[in-house]
Amino acid sequence: QLQLQESGPGLVKPSETLSLTCSVSGGSISSSSHYWSWIRQPPGKGLEWIGSMHYSGNTYYKSSLKSRVTISVDTSKNQFSLKLGSVTAADTAVYYCARWNTSGVWFDPWGQGTLVTVSS
Amino acid sequence: QSALTQPASVSGSPGQSITISCTGTSSDVGGYNYVSWYRQHPGKAPKLMIYDVSNRPSGVSNRFSGSKSGNTASLTISGLQAEDEADYYCSSYTSSSTHVVFGGGTKLTVL
Repeated sequence: QLQLQESGPGLVKPSETLSLTCSVSGGSISSSSHYWSWIRQPPGKGLEWIGSMHYSGNTYYKSSLKSRVTISVDTSKNQFSLKLGSVTAADTAVYYCARWNTSGVWFDPWGQGTLVTVSS
Repeated sequence: QSALTQPASVSGSPGQSITISCTGTSSDVGGYNYVSWYRQHPGKAPKLMIYDVSNRPSGVSNRFSGSKSGNTASLTISGLQAEDEADYYCSSYTSSSTHVVFGGGTKLTVL
Protein backbone atom coordinates (compact mmCIF):
# COMPACT_ATOMS: atom_id res chain seq x y z
CA GLN A 1 0.00 0.00 0.00
CA LEU A 2 1.45 3.31 -1.08
CA GLN A 3 2.16 5.75 1.72
CA LEU A 4 3.37 9.34 1.65
CA GLN A 5 5.00 11.24 4.50
CA GLU A 6 5.85 14.95 4.59
CA SER A 7 8.83 16.32 6.49
CA GLY A 8 10.46 19.71 6.97
CA PRO A 9 10.66 22.76 9.25
CA GLY A 10 7.46 23.80 10.96
CA LEU A 11 8.52 27.45 11.24
CA VAL A 12 9.84 29.68 8.46
CA LYS A 13 10.70 33.38 8.65
CA PRO A 14 9.03 35.89 6.32
CA SER A 15 10.87 36.40 3.00
CA GLU A 16 12.71 33.09 3.39
CA THR A 17 12.18 29.82 1.48
CA LEU A 18 9.86 27.06 2.66
CA SER A 19 11.28 23.60 1.93
CA LEU A 20 9.42 20.32 2.37
CA THR A 21 10.07 16.74 1.35
CA CYS A 22 7.61 13.92 0.72
CA SER A 23 8.89 10.37 1.15
CA VAL A 24 7.10 7.69 -0.85
CA SER A 25 6.95 4.11 0.42
CA GLY A 26 5.21 1.01 -0.86
CA GLY A 27 5.63 1.98 -4.49
CA SER A 28 7.92 3.68 -6.98
CA ILE A 29 7.97 7.37 -7.70
CA SER A 30 9.12 6.46 -11.22
CA SER A 31 5.61 5.64 -12.34
CA SER A 32 4.51 6.74 -15.79
CA SER A 33 0.90 6.91 -14.62
CA HIS A 34 1.27 9.43 -11.84
CA TYR A 35 2.25 12.97 -11.01
CA TRP A 36 3.49 13.89 -7.54
CA SER A 37 1.69 16.82 -6.03
CA TRP A 38 1.62 19.43 -3.30
CA ILE A 39 -1.64 20.81 -1.90
CA ARG A 40 -2.03 23.20 1.02
CA GLN A 41 -4.77 24.24 3.44
CA PRO A 42 -4.55 27.47 5.46
CA PRO A 43 -5.91 27.08 9.00
CA GLY A 44 -9.71 26.89 8.92
CA LYS A 45 -9.82 27.28 5.14
CA GLY A 46 -10.13 25.16 2.02
CA LEU A 47 -7.71 23.23 -0.14
CA GLU A 48 -5.39 24.84 -2.69
CA TRP A 49 -3.46 22.89 -5.32
CA ILE A 50 0.14 24.15 -5.60
CA GLY A 51 1.65 22.01 -8.33
CA SER A 52 2.51 18.56 -9.63
CA MET A 53 5.52 16.88 -11.21
CA HIS A 54 6.09 13.71 -13.24
CA TYR A 55 9.29 11.78 -12.63
CA SER A 56 10.23 12.53 -16.25
CA GLY A 57 10.42 16.21 -15.36
CA ASN A 58 7.13 17.52 -16.71
CA THR A 59 5.68 19.98 -14.23
CA TYR A 60 2.48 21.92 -13.67
CA TYR A 61 2.22 24.85 -11.22
CA LYS A 62 -0.69 26.99 -10.10
CA SER A 63 -0.27 30.17 -12.11
CA SER A 64 -0.49 32.56 -9.17
CA LEU A 65 2.33 30.71 -7.35
CA LYS A 66 4.48 29.80 -10.33
CA SER A 67 7.07 32.54 -9.81
CA ARG A 68 7.82 31.29 -6.28
CA VAL A 69 7.42 27.49 -6.54
CA THR A 70 9.75 24.68 -7.49
CA ILE A 71 8.85 20.99 -7.27
CA SER A 72 11.53 18.39 -7.84
CA VAL A 73 11.70 14.61 -7.83
CA ASP A 74 14.58 12.45 -6.56
CA THR A 75 14.09 8.97 -7.97
CA SER A 76 17.14 7.59 -6.15
CA LYS A 77 15.55 8.41 -2.79
CA ASN A 78 11.93 7.87 -3.88
CA GLN A 79 11.16 11.39 -2.69
CA PHE A 80 9.86 14.65 -4.08
CA SER A 81 10.23 18.14 -2.74
CA LEU A 82 8.60 21.55 -2.59
CA LYS A 83 10.36 24.90 -2.40
CA LEU A 84 8.29 28.06 -1.98
CA GLY A 85 10.25 31.29 -1.93
CA SER A 86 9.62 34.76 -0.48
CA VAL A 87 7.04 33.45 1.96
CA THR A 88 4.63 35.64 3.90
CA ALA A 89 2.10 34.97 6.63
CA ALA A 90 -0.39 34.09 3.89
CA ASP A 91 1.66 30.97 3.17
CA THR A 92 0.98 29.59 6.64
CA ALA A 93 -0.87 26.32 6.04
CA VAL A 94 -0.92 22.58 6.41
CA TYR A 95 0.99 21.26 3.41
CA TYR A 96 -0.01 17.89 1.98
CA CYS A 97 1.75 15.75 -0.56
CA ALA A 98 -0.40 13.49 -2.72
CA ARG A 99 -0.31 11.32 -5.83
CA TRP A 100 -2.20 12.46 -8.94
CA ASN A 101 -3.44 9.66 -11.15
CA THR A 102 -3.00 10.71 -14.77
CA SER A 103 -5.81 8.55 -16.12
CA GLY A 104 -8.03 11.25 -14.69
CA VAL A 105 -7.60 14.09 -12.24
CA TRP A 106 -7.75 12.90 -8.69
CA PHE A 107 -5.43 12.77 -5.70
CA ASP A 108 -4.93 9.51 -3.82
CA PRO A 109 -3.36 8.75 -1.44
CA TRP A 110 -2.43 11.81 0.63
CA GLY A 111 0.22 12.27 3.25
CA GLN A 112 -0.85 13.16 6.77
CA GLY A 113 0.09 16.80 6.26
CA THR A 114 2.55 19.10 8.01
CA LEU A 115 1.84 22.55 9.44
CA VAL A 116 4.19 25.28 8.32
CA THR A 117 3.93 28.61 10.09
CA VAL A 118 5.49 31.74 8.61
CA SER A 119 6.49 34.06 11.43
CA SER A 120 9.49 36.01 12.64
CA GLN B 1 -12.86 32.97 -3.14
CA SER B 2 -12.79 29.38 -4.42
CA ALA B 3 -13.17 28.59 -8.11
CA LEU B 4 -15.87 26.00 -7.43
CA THR B 5 -18.94 26.89 -5.34
CA GLN B 6 -20.18 24.58 -2.62
CA PRO B 7 -22.77 25.21 0.11
CA ALA B 8 -21.07 26.06 3.39
CA SER B 9 -23.05 23.48 5.31
CA VAL B 10 -25.61 20.72 4.99
CA SER B 11 -27.18 18.49 7.59
CA GLY B 12 -29.22 15.34 7.85
CA SER B 13 -30.40 12.73 10.30
CA PRO B 14 -29.02 9.21 10.50
CA GLY B 15 -30.42 7.04 7.75
CA GLN B 16 -31.38 9.96 5.55
CA SER B 17 -29.80 11.00 2.25
CA ILE B 18 -28.12 14.30 1.53
CA THR B 19 -26.67 15.89 -1.59
CA ILE B 20 -23.80 18.36 -1.81
CA SER B 21 -23.53 20.48 -4.93
CA CYS B 22 -20.40 21.81 -6.61
CA THR B 23 -20.90 24.51 -9.22
CA GLY B 24 -18.28 25.61 -11.69
CA THR B 25 -18.17 26.69 -15.32
CA SER B 26 -17.80 25.19 -18.76
CA SER B 27 -14.02 25.56 -18.32
CA ASP B 28 -13.93 23.10 -15.46
CA VAL B 29 -16.87 21.04 -14.13
CA GLY B 30 -18.99 21.40 -17.25
CA GLY B 31 -16.22 20.79 -19.73
CA TYR B 32 -14.57 17.66 -18.37
CA ASN B 33 -15.51 14.47 -16.56
CA TYR B 34 -12.71 15.06 -14.08
CA VAL B 35 -14.61 15.90 -10.90
CA SER B 36 -13.47 14.29 -7.66
CA TRP B 37 -14.77 14.45 -4.09
CA TYR B 38 -12.83 14.23 -0.81
CA ARG B 39 -13.89 13.73 2.79
CA GLN B 40 -11.86 15.35 5.55
CA HIS B 41 -12.35 14.65 9.23
CA PRO B 42 -10.99 17.29 11.67
CA GLY B 43 -7.22 17.21 11.90
CA LYS B 44 -6.95 14.51 9.24
CA ALA B 45 -5.85 14.40 5.62
CA PRO B 46 -8.50 14.41 2.88
CA LYS B 47 -9.63 11.02 1.60
CA LEU B 48 -10.73 10.35 -1.98
CA MET B 49 -14.40 9.32 -2.11
CA ILE B 50 -15.36 9.78 -5.79
CA TYR B 51 -13.26 10.26 -8.92
CA ASP B 52 -14.06 11.08 -12.54
CA VAL B 53 -17.56 12.30 -11.56
CA SER B 54 -19.09 9.01 -10.47
CA ASN B 55 -16.45 6.34 -9.80
CA ARG B 56 -15.86 4.96 -6.32
CA PRO B 57 -12.37 3.87 -5.29
CA SER B 58 -12.00 0.39 -3.88
CA GLY B 59 -13.02 0.35 -0.23
CA VAL B 60 -15.39 3.33 -0.37
CA SER B 61 -18.95 2.51 0.65
CA ASN B 62 -21.59 2.34 -2.07
CA ARG B 63 -23.58 4.81 0.04
CA PHE B 64 -21.48 7.45 -1.73
CA SER B 65 -22.37 8.37 -5.30
CA GLY B 66 -21.50 11.17 -7.69
CA SER B 67 -23.14 12.75 -10.70
CA LYS B 68 -22.95 15.80 -12.94
CA SER B 69 -25.38 17.94 -14.87
CA GLY B 70 -24.07 20.85 -16.88
CA ASN B 71 -21.71 22.94 -14.76
CA THR B 72 -22.82 21.38 -11.47
CA ALA B 73 -21.53 18.18 -9.91
CA SER B 74 -23.17 16.49 -6.95
CA LEU B 75 -22.18 14.11 -4.19
CA THR B 76 -24.98 12.08 -2.64
CA ILE B 77 -24.59 10.20 0.62
CA SER B 78 -27.36 7.77 1.44
CA GLY B 79 -28.07 6.07 4.75
CA LEU B 80 -26.27 8.80 6.71
CA GLN B 81 -24.07 7.59 9.53
CA ALA B 82 -22.37 9.46 12.36
CA GLU B 83 -18.97 8.78 10.76
CA ASP B 84 -20.04 10.75 7.68
CA GLU B 85 -19.88 13.99 9.68
CA ALA B 86 -16.93 15.79 8.11
CA ASP B 87 -15.93 18.43 5.58
CA TYR B 88 -16.37 17.53 1.92
CA TYR B 89 -14.46 19.11 -0.96
CA CYS B 90 -14.99 18.84 -4.69
CA SER B 91 -12.22 19.30 -7.23
CA SER B 92 -12.03 19.57 -10.99
CA TYR B 93 -9.56 19.89 -13.80
CA THR B 94 -9.71 23.33 -15.40
CA SER B 95 -8.57 24.47 -18.81
CA SER B 96 -7.26 27.67 -17.25
CA SER B 97 -3.62 28.01 -16.26
CA THR B 98 -4.63 27.00 -12.75
CA HIS B 99 -5.01 23.35 -13.93
CA VAL B 100 -6.76 22.09 -10.79
CA VAL B 101 -9.39 23.85 -8.69
CA PHE B 102 -11.11 22.96 -5.43
CA GLY B 103 -14.41 24.00 -3.96
CA GLY B 104 -14.57 25.91 -0.71
CA GLY B 105 -15.77 22.86 1.20
CA THR B 106 -19.07 21.82 2.79
CA LYS B 107 -19.46 20.92 6.44
CA LEU B 108 -21.80 17.96 6.84
CA THR B 109 -23.50 17.65 10.20
CA VAL B 110 -25.27 14.43 11.15
CA LEU B 111 -28.03 15.45 13.53
